[in-house]
Amino acid sequence: DTAVSQTPKYLVTQMGNDKSIKCEQNLGHDTMYWYKQDSKKFLKIMFSYNNKELIINETVPNRFSPKSPDKAHLNLHINSLELGDSAVYFCASNSGRYGYTFGSGTRLTVV
Amino acid sequence: QQPVQSPQAVILREGEDAVINCSSSKALYSVHWYRQKHGEAPVFLMILLKGGEQKGHEKISASFNEKKQQSSLYLTASQLSYSGTYFCGTEHAGNMLTFGGGTRLMVKP
Repeated sequence: DTAVSQTPKYLVTQMGNDKSIKCEQNLGHDTMYWYKQDSKKFLKIMFSYNNKELIINETVPNRFSPKSPDKAHLNLHINSLELGDSAVYFCASNSGRYGYTFGSGTRLTVV
Repeated sequence: QQPVQSPQAVILREGEDAVINCSSSKALYSVHWYRQKHGEAPVFLMILLKGGEQKGHEKISASFNEKKQQSSLYLTASQLSYSGTYFCGTEHAGNMLTFGGGTRLMVKP
């Protein structure tokens, strides 16, 4: 199946831990993104990345870092997790002026 | 800057129509529309690239007024399957889509 896949689907962890969320797309898209959706359903852009450029939303804490081993993968690493990081994280991809394809999301709960 | 969507919520009976509006304070390159059902990922509906462009997707269509920096999504003869949260996404510069706060649509039998 062609898609954007994220793992894990659920992640429960303690404050202060470091965790990673993986994202892979097999659509051949040029650009990948990470979005955070909070409890009020607001979708906030965190990062945009293609093989040339990383664009960071300036409001994202530097505890969050994207890592892209190749064009098809964009992982999200989070250091020193805080309670406020609890949310659903979506990976997405697209090419050119076309719609985004979203992954199924990772529900992160920090306790 | 986040676009503003209105209304925040709509309740319809099957067969009724609805309009969801999206406005931006900045010049727009494009407007996207997505629908998200509970517990699922947002799903792309359509993209509008040009001023005054209108597009259709079955009984769902949208318009884009580049001058007014606004877009509207039209849902006609609504079906139960239309229920969900609708998001507009606006592209200004660079390649990052910024989403509005969403409009929750509930279609009742």
